[in-house]
Amino acid sequence: SQELEQSPQSLIVQEGKNLTINCTSSKTLYGLYWYKQKYGEGLIFLMMLQKGGEEKSHEKITAKLDEKKQQSSLHITASQPSHAGIYLCGAVGRAGNNRKLIWGLGTSLAVNP
Amino acid sequence: EPEVTQTPSHQVTQMGQEVILRCVPISNHLYFYWYRQILGQKVEFLVSFYNNEISEKSEIFDDQFSVERPDGSNFTLKIRSTKLEDSAMYFCASNAGGSKSDTQYFGPGTRLTVL
Repeated sequence: SQELEQSPQSLIVQEGKNLTINCTSSKTLYGLYWYKQKYGEGLIFLMMLQKGGEEKSHEKITAKLDEKKQQSSLHITASQPSHAGIYLCGAVGRAGNNRKLIWGLGTSLAVNP
Repeated sequence: EPEVTQTPSHQVTQMGQEVILRCVPISNHLYFYWYRQILGQKVEFLVSFYNNEISEKSEIFDDQFSVERPDGSNFTLKIRSTKLEDSAMYFCASNAGGSKSDTQYFGPGTRLTVL
């Protein structure tokens, strides 16, 4: 079965610093999703990547998909306390639409003011 | 902005009792999902539902679980006889369907505690 590994598991940064979170799949990726979760709350959709080399940005968050490496990275520029939370990657493990998502364990981010 | 809603936000029940978790997906969405997250573990897929039937289910989704869309707006997850290990956060999600609309939008979750 497909597994997603996220690194690092947790991260503490000073406000204003840049950071990167990685998500690596054990098998072919057919779609990669990034969500943010505040502790004990729901999952907020950030971005979806489907094609190798694809890169998307939303405000100060950029995500890239490296299809060959079966990996995605999430980069936050000039982090702010509002970026704190748990970042989860989810992947579609096989072709077809509207498939289930499998998930990484998450990366917990704290941003110190 | 449309959103997925879930009730209750927290449910406490005794082992062996039946619980029903409720979800209202985004209007006009066609695909519905339930996931769960046991504390400290990964989010796990339970079941997907389309066109009034289950389209996919995981090994977790055994005979103790059932889903229903009783009307045009609600989507429910029933656990017939709860076990201690069913304690988790349960998330409902929906997506619009179609190749360009694969994004699943999640509700805030229901925290189920089985005593």
